[in-house]
Amino acid sequence: EAGVTQFPSHSVIEKGQTVTLRCDPISGHDNLYWYRRVMGKEIKFLLHFVKESKQDESGMPNNRFLAERTGGTYSTLKVQPAELEDSGVYFCASSQGYGYNSPLHFGNGTRLTVT
Amino acid sequence: AQSVTQLDSQVPVFEEAPVELRCNYSSSVSVYLFWYVQYPNQGLQLLLKYLSGSTLVESINGFEAEFNKSQTSFHLRKPSVHISDTAEYFCAVTGQLSFGAGTTVTVRA
Repeated sequence: EAGVTQFPSHSVIEKGQTVTLRCDPISGHDNLYWYRRVMGKEIKFLLHFVKESKQDESGMPNNRFLAERTGGTYSTLKVQPAELEDSGVYFCASSQGYGYNSPLHFGNGTRLTVT
Repeated sequence: AQSVTQLDSQVPVFEEAPVELRCNYSSSVSVYLFWYVQYPNQGLQLLLKYLSGSTLVESINGFEAEFNKSQTSFHLRKPSVHISDTAEYFCAVTGQLSFGAGTTVTVRA
């Protein structure tokens, strides 16, 4: 089975520009998560989709971040306008079920650099 | 609220030597604990998990971790490392899966 894929793998943009990150989960996985790791620190939860609905978006840092999952398949995370502190690695993960017994499958991440 | 502290950011180790990666957690509820590994240029992969039962859990590639409730720890150990164990290791705790800052293990010949 194909794993979780993220695109692009790297993105370099200038402060004030817009960037859209994409995540394709494993087929059939209803649960999709976004995480972010900034400057070698903790990997922090951003939000959780169940199908197309946002189950939990308590980790979204501010309203410059917008996540969507139209149709319950792939998801996008848009940052507009980007700021320097948004630099980091953005991970997407998916799981078939929800809860501790449903392992998360992670993508390779998108490394975002805002200059 | 839950949080995880990984006490070592970098752990250099020689091949065939033992290694221990330290992880402490705080949580106001019952916990489930995980270790994830990220090999270079790859995504995170689940290494092992503690849900309940025996406090000592093992992975298929020789790692083990012990849940210690009184010390709120979940340290990861391997008695003899290989070059291929060079990676970054993350401790995590449920619900939203709170991760530590990671420990980079570099195995040298």
